[in-house]
Amino acid sequence: AAGVIQSPRHLIKEKRETATLKCYPIPRHDTVYWYQQGPGQDPQFLISFYEKMQSDKGSIPDRFSAQQFSDYHSELNMSSLELGDSALYFCASSSTSYQETQYFGPGTRLLVL
Amino acid sequence: GEDVEQSLFLSVREGDSSVINCTYTDSSSTYLYWYKQEPGAGLQLLTYIFSNMDMKQDQRLTVLLNKKDKHLSLRIADTQTGDSAIYFCAEVYNQGGKLIFGQGTELSVKP
Repeated sequence: AAGVIQSPRHLIKEKRETATLKCYPIPRHDTVYWYQQGPGQDPQFLISFYEKMQSDKGSIPDRFSAQQFSDYHSELNMSSLELGDSALYFCASSSTSYQETQYFGPGTRLLVL
Repeated sequence: GEDVEQSLFLSVREGDSSVINCTYTDSSSTYLYWYKQEPGAGLQLLTYIFSNMDMKQDQRLTVLLNKKDKHLSLRIADTQTGDSAIYFCAEVYNQGGKLIFGQGTELSVKP
């Protein structure tokens, strides 16, 4: 079965640079969620989109923005990167017409130097 | 408030049963989930339970839900070394909304 696809899988950036993370949800899933997991931490919710509209917002810094496109893929844009942004970034997708269980992608590991 | 709590570590011998416990706060959660994370890997959905159920069994996994005490547990029967991982329980905050995770329980299985 198709799973959530995230790219890139690994990313190394310098401080103050920008990064773009991409997420391709499971086909026919209409909702996308972004989570950040710091080292040794549990995943923290950043933001979600339903049918291309922002549906909920968590502890996402103002330096970050995200959107969901017409093909339902989503991008998380991160600017003015800081050392503390180094983390594993997960995308999850769900279908509002079936149970809304969230299925996670493999994550993008971002290292800011 | 949003708070999910788990014990941090559990060590068992291969072949024994493991029980991982979790308490949650949002009584309106419709589903409660267990995810497994191996080192450096993503979050794998293990199982879930609907909030109007007391128990769910799925092969070696048994989930028990005590809604009155807001207590959730995951029992792994015949634990294998391949079960060594971090296990997260999670509740849905508002239907269709974000997941609130516990801190994760690191399960270590010794041969």
